[in-house]
Amino acid sequence: GESVGLHLPTLSVQEGDNSIINCAYSNSASDYFIWYKQESGKGPQFIIDIRSNMDKRQGQRVTVLLNKTVKHLSLQIAATQPGDSAVYFCAETGGFKTIFGAGTRLFVKA
Amino acid sequence: NAGVMQNPRHLVRRRGQEARLRCSPMKGHSHVYWYRQLPEEGLKFMVYLQKENIIDESGMPKERFSAEFPKEGPSILRIQQVVRGDSAAYFCASSKQTGSDTEAFFGQGTRLTVV
Repeated sequence: GESVGLHLPTLSVQEGDNSIINCAYSNSASDYFIWYKQESGKGPQFIIDIRSNMDKRQGQRVTVLLNKTVKHLSLQIAATQPGDSAVYFCAETGGFKTIFGAGTRLFVKA
Repeated sequence: NAGVMQNPRHLVRRRGQEARLRCSPMKGHSHVYWYRQLPEEGLKFMVYLQKENIIDESGMPKERFSAEFPKEGPSILRIQQVVRGDSAAYFCASSKQTGSDTEAFFGQGTRLTVV
């Protein structure tokens, strides 16, 4: 759901390993979901999206999984690289407003 | 095709002054969204505007904050009589339309510091 001022959880992975970042969304009426990547000092960048009529979508090295039953979204990054270090946000859209989750900071250890 | 342009990138204001943050959406985009981000936190929705109209300002503080998106020119987020707690990064996003399957593109943000 919407960020409510909690500090970012952190995920630390070894370079080359797979990363899984999880997100719980709040609105069961949301029908479109996006994962964004935010690097330090920059705005969020689109990574991958998924509609509510799908449960999985794959991109290049990234996969998004959607479980509508428990309102859960995950982002899987294969063969994580140092350049993947960033904060990752899930976002839900139901109507016109995009609501962001709290975000997860990903550290990639060389 | 330039992306969403925000300026200034960094803004320093003394307590009690006014801060004006500008956002030029991507070409062809008529929907603008403003978000606020505190350090180490997520993005919090503030306001959604279409040309000349405020559609949803449910995330905007009732006092001192206002937003506009005139027919010509950028969208402006205005903060009057700034206080230290207003220090944050303010991000603008724009989209071509609204609703599902609509990706919003973000600017680089304006970092406001109130001293």
